[in-house]
Amino acid sequence: EIVMTQFPATLSMSPGERAILSCRASQSVNTNLAWYQQKPGQAPRLLIYGATTRATGIPVRFSGSGSGTEFTLTISSLQSEDFALYYCQQYKNWPPWTFGQGTKVEIK
Amino acid sequence: QVQVVQSGGEVKKPGASVKISCTASGYTFINHGISWVRQAPGQGLEWMGWITPYNGRTTYAQKFQGRVTMTTDTSTNTAYMELRSLTSDDTGIYYCAGEAAAGILVYWGQGTHVTVSS
Repeated sequence: EIVMTQFPATLSMSPGERAILSCRASQSVNTNLAWYQQKPGQAPRLLIYGATTRATGIPVRFSGSGSGTEFTLTISSLQSEDFALYYCQQYKNWPPWTFGQGTKVEIK
Repeated sequence: QVQVVQSGGEVKKPGASVKISCTASGYTFINHGISWVRQAPGQGLEWMGWITPYNGRTTYAQKFQGRVTMTTDTSTNTAYMELRSLTSDDTGIYYCAGEAAAGILVYWGQGTHVTVSS
């Protein structure tokens, strides 16, 4: 099983700042990596797949990078609606598809 | 537009079973696999398994093997997930999610709360 590790666990930021979230895989997943956003009481929402491709309707301030074992989700200028939980997920090897434990982006 | 609607919350006693439905519209149901993902209270996301409505083939996480059954009904565009021998550790929110492609979960249901308590 591929273990996904996200850091930091919590990111305290102010609106307008740049947020950088990291995700590490225990073995290479090439670019088979997705990012999801989850707000309280809601289902997750796909943001990024293929490590770098924005899903339909996702604002350009969200960008993904990386390959192999190291990945980054960058939010270029935090908006109020971006304060949420973010999960990375690998879909190279299964079963199972595996998620990181999440990074919470909170208002400073 | 795409809609994925899950059945309502359930309260079960330990040892019981639960069966959750997930009805999709707005996309070609048979062409997209469906994963089931669990979220324990205050915890992260845990993938449980996958089914393709095309031929009913399933792949389950080892953790749930023998205790979970996933099925689909293509006549109603509905997927089902049954989990048996429930314990308090099974309390949580259960999501179904349709795939854009293998492993890319794009069409999420609203979640079904399952509480296991004596």
